[in-house]
Amino acid sequence: EVQLVQSGAEVNKPGESLRISCKGSGHSFINYWITWVRQMPGKGLEWMGTIDPSDSYTNYSPSFEGHVTISADKSISTVYLQWSSLKASDTAMYYCARLDRVMITSPFFDHWGQGTLVTVSS
Amino acid sequence: SYVLTQPLSVSVAPGKTASITCGGNNIGSKSVHWYRQKPGQAPVLVIYYDTDRPSGIPDRFSGSNSGNTATLTISRVEAGDEADYYCQVWDSSSDHPYVFGTGTKVTVL
Repeated sequence: EVQLVQSGAEVNKPGESLRISCKGSGHSFINYWITWVRQMPGKGLEWMGTIDPSDSYTNYSPSFEGHVTISADKSISTVYLQWSSLKASDTAMYYCARLDRVMITSPFFDHWGQGTLVTVSS
Repeated sequence: SYVLTQPLSVSVAPGKTASITCGGNNIGSKSVHWYRQKPGQAPVLVIYYDTDRPSGIPDRFSGSNSGNTATLTISRVEAGDEADYYCQVWDSSSDHPYVFGTGTKVTVL
């Protein structure tokens, strides 16, 4: 069974750094790209960026590039989402999702993590 | 960047049919995928490549895509179908290629 298990909820202060994780199992981790998706309170889904765990090639949404870093450790089948300086506006639920790219021109997210709630407040 | 527009909400009585639209410029030329998000839960894929259903998704869920509108149809609606639904496409010409729709709240009366 394919599973993506995310790290637990976080409460941090503005300006602090943070790294959350997404651990894959039940599939060949290096053969599937992993995406991070943000959902702000009461709002819709936003694509943040995608990483190829086999070589750590990363593609960011212009809305998030420079503010977050996505990385991977394929030896432990884990992808990370990292902030060096959190803002109150980073308060949101963050999901990782596995990307199915069988049809390269029509990729979709076939499995999702359970979500990690990040709260940033002074 | 490419924009996908969905109605904010759809209300439907149990046993009836709900249709959720996803509008985009010439969306019929792209493959559309649909996700269901129940309250407090992660999204789940319910339709991919316009019409295909993942294993475990009942055949009450179906999809179509033509022209400027894609549609997710839920037949014989049940109380458990109450959720937010999002469409998604891949836009190869954009620096923001993974595009989600604005989302539709389905309420079962």
